[in-house]
Amino acid sequence: SQKIEQNSEALNIQEGKTATLTCNYTNYSPAYLQWYRQDPGRGPVFLLLIRENEKEKRKERLKVTFDTTLKQSLFHITASQPADSATYLCALDSSNDYKLSFGAGTTVTVRA
Amino acid sequence: GAGVSQSPSNKVTEKGKDVELRCDPISGHTALYWYRQSLGQGLEFLIYFQGNSAPDKSGLPSDRFSAERTGGSVSTLTIQRTQQEDSAVYLCASSPQGIVPDTQYFGPGTRLTVL
Repeated sequence: SQKIEQNSEALNIQEGKTATLTCNYTNYSPAYLQWYRQDPGRGPVFLLLIRENEKEKRKERLKVTFDTTLKQSLFHITASQPADSATYLCALDSSNDYKLSFGAGTTVTVRA
Repeated sequence: GAGVSQSPSNKVTEKGKDVELRCDPISGHTALYWYRQSLGQGLEFLIYFQGNSAPDKSGLPSDRFSAERTGGSVSTLTIQRTQQEDSAVYLCASSPQGIVPDTQYFGPGTRLTVL
């Protein structure tokens, strides 16, 4: 069956450190993968998209990697700040389809 | 400009009652999606609209769930004879074209509680 797994444990890190989140998938062949941020009581907000032929994508302090052999994406927040505290969701398409399948998310808390 | 809006933000209902949830997408976005998010779970896809048509209703959990979209804009998700397991946050998203890949813009959600 199809499965998307993100870090099962919440991530607690010190301000200034790098947070690394994982997204592993099974029985998908995504053409692209997206990362979203969700704050309590709000809908997800798009952060980054990476295509299957891209190894790495950066946006400000965010970095995403995509390894289609390992079936894994890593999401890094460098120089983390308390304002980065949120739940981060990975989402991928089902074989180049408009429909996105989401992971359950990883909650990150950055301590000042 | 204005983002995706949803109403009501919270809805408490009794088991067996019908509820209607509304979504106003970003103006000009042709694609609209409904998802359901239960506590600690990922987003569960319910239905997708391209314009007023719903080419994919595969995610609707049962025939108690229906949705429509009118004028290529507002969408309504209706749940008939609500059950306690319907309690969740219902999220609506819209995207410019509904083609691959397309960024989805989410509303704040409607929290539904069925007593």
